[in-house]
Amino acid sequence: SAVISQKPSRDICQRGTSLTIQCQVDSQVTMMFWYRQQPGQSLTLIATANQGSEATYESGFVIDKFPISRPNLTFSTLTVSNLSPEDSSIYLCSVISGGGSYNEQFFGPGTRLTVL
Amino acid sequence: QQPVQSPQAVILREGEDAVINCSSSKALYSVHWYRQKHGEAPVFLMILLKGGEQKGHDKISASFNEKKQQSSLYLTASQLSYSGTYFCGTRAGGTSYGKLTFGQGTILTVHP
Repeated sequence: SAVISQKPSRDICQRGTSLTIQCQVDSQVTMMFWYRQQPGQSLTLIATANQGSEATYESGFVIDKFPISRPNLTFSTLTVSNLSPEDSSIYLCSVISGGGSYNEQFFGPGTRLTVL
Repeated sequence: QQPVQSPQAVILREGEDAVINCSSSKALYSVHWYRQKHGEAPVFLMILLKGGEQKGHDKISASFNEKKQQSSLYLTASQLSYSGTYFCGTRAGGTSYGKLTFGQGTILTVHP
């Protein structure tokens, strides 16, 4: 399975600022995703990070609020802009690895964001 | 559309068995099961494909009923380490590269 790292692991930010989260994978992966997990909730897909093109956003998530970059097949960033307390969540990078019919999906350790 | 998991919570004593169910209204390509402990990332447990193939944890079993678009995760002879929140993730359509949509989770607590 792919080894995924995220930076920072946690951060406390002020309202109105932005936070950029980095995701690094130890091997090239085709599919990379960003999820949000609000306290006590399930995992909600924000967007699919596409290498070399604009990310594909899910309903309810927009590029202005969650700009994503994916410059190559091992790295992506998610920025959470104009922060409000409602953005306090865990943000998780996820990749598909394995190949063949299975294409298991794995998660990074997450970034815990608290907005004051 | 989000798959529906049941039950929402289970409390067991060590050695007891549990079944967690996951149901979808969409035709599924695969079902993925994860366990998440508090403060940690979800950990992959199993994947079940339409057609009957499966791959994953050697101490946990699962089934996938394609006709009903339902999957069940079987936890037998539970251990304290099984405690956590279990999520099913479903991949719809005919591709193995589609996004996963997750159920709301089932909280499993195992007591000594």
